[in-house]
Amino acid sequence: AQSVTQPDIHITVSEGASLELRCNYSYGATPYLFWYVQSPGQGLQLLLKYFSGDTLVQGIKGFEAEFKRSQSSFNLRKPSVHWSDAAEYFCAVGKNPYSGGGADGLTFGKGTHLIIQP
Amino acid sequence: NAGVTQTPKFQVLKTGQSMTLQCAQDMNHNSMYWYRQDPGMGLRLIYYSASEGTTDKGEVPNGYNVSRLNKREFSLRLESAAPSQTSVYFCASSGGLAGPSSYEQYFGPGTRLTVT
Repeated sequence: AQSVTQPDIHITVSEGASLELRCNYSYGATPYLFWYVQSPGQGLQLLLKYFSGDTLVQGIKGFEAEFKRSQSSFNLRKPSVHWSDAAEYFCAVGKNPYSGGGADGLTFGKGTHLIIQP
Repeated sequence: NAGVTQTPKFQVLKTGQSMTLQCAQDMNHNSMYWYRQDPGMGLRLIYYSASEGTTDKGEVPNGYNVSRLNKREFSLRLESAAPSQTSVYFCASSGGLAGPSSYEQYFGPGTRLTVT
């Protein structure tokens, strides 16, 4: 069965500092990987995704993530955070459509709560 | 486009009561999903509908039923609510275009349900 681990429950970063949120996955083949962001009281917004090709993917709001197959990781990064980045971040894995995957839902990590210090 | 809409936004039920959560999408997506979100647990899949006319169980289906009413609408029913079903419920949809991007899921704003 597939699974996602986000080792950090909370992370505090100063405004303007760089950010890296960790995500490790367990999956039998090449996964389809996502990062979502959830602001308080809101639904989830897709930041970026990876399913094949270049292992460094760019997303919205200045975020990027790197897929490392050897480490089963898909860490999210941002060079300089803004106060508006304070939110809950979720990593998720799904079946890769190029590997015969179907539309049968995503498996989410438990989330990382990002706090921005002024 | 409204995207994915959910009603109601908030609901309080007593133990044993029943209710239906409604979800609709206007993106012509084929697949729809129901998740629940609990503190420290992330999102867990309750049921999904890969296409109109089909539904399947997810990770935590016990105590729930679903109906894919048509391509746009996917409802979640609690027949006899229990305090353990206190949660935030999210509906999502995917599959408007061909290719890998069709697996991206778009989420509604959620329904906050409290069962006392």
